[in-house]
Amino acid sequence: DAGVIQSPRHEVTEMGQEVTLRCKPISGHNSLFWYRQTMMRGLELLIYFNNNVPIDDSGMPEDRFSAKMPNASFSTLKIQPSEPRDSAVYFCASSPRGLNTEAFFGQGTRLTVV
Amino acid sequence: AQSVTQPDIHITVSEGASLELRCNYSYGATPYLFWYVQSPGQGLQLLLKYFSGDTLVQGIKGFEAEFKRSQSSFNLRKPSVHWSDAAEYFCAVGGANNLFFGTGTRLTVIP
Repeated sequence: DAGVIQSPRHEVTEMGQEVTLRCKPISGHNSLFWYRQTMMRGLELLIYFNNNVPIDDSGMPEDRFSAKMPNASFSTLKIQPSEPRDSAVYFCASSPRGLNTEAFFGQGTRLTVV
Repeated sequence: AQSVTQPDIHITVSEGASLELRCNYSYGATPYLFWYVQSPGQGLQLLLKYFSGDTLVQGIKGFEAEFKRSQSSFNLRKPSVHWSDAAEYFCAVGGANNLFFGTGTRLTVIP
């Protein structure tokens, strides 16, 4: 398996633009997570899906952020409109049985909002 | 409230020396504990995990960690560090709907 695949690896956008980050989890994994990593706040869990259903989105910072998982092999994290403070590395991870088991991370998307 | 504390922001060791990275956690129930490593520009890779049973767990790359319930600690150790171990190390504690990460410890290895 190729592991968790995220695209793009790098994204530079202007403030106010819509940004969509994409993730393909490992086949057969039924849990998917979106994390944000910044120097100031470290790794933060944004949202957690189980069997394509959002279980906990309490980490989503505000309404500008939304995430979807239309099927077991694809998820998106959208920011609309983007702001400079959204600049961070966004990681997608998947696991076979939820957060109590090992989470496999993608390589991340480095987002810069100017 | 759940939390993870990694008290050392940055550690420097000589190649071949032993290593111990500290991790303390706060969790209301029996925790699931993890250590991850992150190389520059990369995602996180699991080194080892503790769910139950033997409190000394072995991981990849020669790492081990010991769960001490009385001290709420899960320290990571390696007897002899290699230059390739230079990276950022994250301790994490897991529950039903969340996985809390510490702020990380950056390891520098000097020849």
